[in-house]
Amino acid sequence: GAGVSQSPRYKVAKRGQDVALRCDPISGHVSLFWYQQALGQGPEFLTYFQNEAQLDKSGLPSDRFFAERPEGSVSTLKIQRTQQEDSAVYLCASSPNRDPGRTGYTFGSGTRLTVV
Amino acid sequence: AQSVTQLGSHVSVSEGALVLLRCNYSSSVPPYLFWYVQYPNQGLQLLLKYTSAATLVKGINGFEAEFKKSETSFHLTKPSAHMSDAAEYFCAVRHNTGKLIFGQGTTLQVKP
Repeated sequence: GAGVSQSPRYKVAKRGQDVALRCDPISGHVSLFWYQQALGQGPEFLTYFQNEAQLDKSGLPSDRFFAERPEGSVSTLKIQRTQQEDSAVYLCASSPNRDPGRTGYTFGSGTRLTVV
Repeated sequence: AQSVTQLGSHVSVSEGALVLLRCNYSSSVPPYLFWYVQYPNQGLQLLLKYTSAATLVKGINGFEAEFKKSETSFHLTKPSAHMSDAAEYFCAVRHNTGKLIFGQGTTLQVKP
């Protein structure tokens, strides 16, 4: 596609509910990132995929957070038993490069998750 | 480990005035540095990047940044602010594992 697409754009979840956030990267992009952006803060790294391999998941805050990219394209970030502190914008980004930290990456518009 | 610090969470300028947004980095290796802009309810858009080719980097929308190793800085400037420049600006540095580490952001307000 023309850009990184994320869905849904907005999600309201009741505390304790499970949610799944979807990211469609730019076609052919091998690298895919998830970031969490709390209100008024900079994006915080969650996890990184190169094709279907999850190379870095050091930023996932707890075992309630799980990400996958089974076919090396679309990725899903799943949050189980959501809590209020999970409220944030979740940003997905992709890059055609295998070392995208040298060139930067393209971000989607994000999913705003509100846990009530 | 690599990190960035953005000095000033809010900057306010008049339309037509110079814009200066400050970023200092920490890195034990030659850094890759970036500036991104975020408009309300949107994702981050790459403004410019420093990859060691030239110390003065020109980006989109008339922005530029100068890499100063002696000051560990990568400040973002624009000679004349426009109302449309009002947004959140983030400085970022490449971590040695390949991901980008972002600063806390600076909100730029442009007054008419």
